[in-house]
Amino acid sequence: AQSVTQLDSQVPVFEEAPVELRCNYSSSVSVYLFWYVQYPNQGLQLLLKYLSGSTLVKGINGFEAEFNKSQTSFHLRKPSVHISDTAEYFCAVRSIQGAQKLVFGQGTRLTINP
Amino acid sequence: GAVVSQHPSRVICKSGTSVKIECRSLDFQATTMFWYRQFPKKSLMLMATSNEGSKATYEQGVEKDKFLINHASLTLSTLTVTSAHPEDSSFYICSARDITNYGYTFGSGTRLTVV
Repeated sequence: AQSVTQLDSQVPVFEEAPVELRCNYSSSVSVYLFWYVQYPNQGLQLLLKYLSGSTLVKGINGFEAEFNKSQTSFHLRKPSVHISDTAEYFCAVRSIQGAQKLVFGQGTRLTINP
Repeated sequence: GAVVSQHPSRVICKSGTSVKIECRSLDFQATTMFWYRQFPKKSLMLMATSNEGSKATYEQGVEKDKFLINHASLTLSTLTVTSAHPEDSSFYICSARDITNYGYTFGSGTRLTVV
């Protein structure tokens, strides 16, 4: 079984500042990793995913994440945030083999202050 | 890109009635779809996995007879909340797996309010 821990439930930052949202996972098997964003009363939108290859993954809206297998982490970063980045962010994993279901972290509320 | 349409976006129903929520993959075939429930300011809780043409697989603690899932075609899955009660009020989200890119596309969600 897999589990995901997002270490920060809320992250407030000022506009144009950099941000890092932390995600650690636990799994006895190899996994795929995902970051999703959710705006109020909406579904989830994929920001980026790691399947294999380069451990630095670039996604939409200027976000990127780095897969660190030794630390079982997949932290999300953006060098300069905008007001429009205010949303809930979810990290998720699924095993490469077996069950196809995604396991989500608890979510991190990113609030951008002017 | 892959699009999943979820309908309705909002529904209010009386206690004791049933509500059906539809989830359609518009431009790809989804052999597997997932149904989630999300409580306010909480993460997504997987309710069940539905596979086209077979019975859904429910997560532990989810009542099969209350949350009926049907996946009759490669583009449509439905969730029916039977005999709804106020405690069933929640945000329900579906997701479809796109096997071409290992992606999961989510619907926009349904806000169910039972009064």
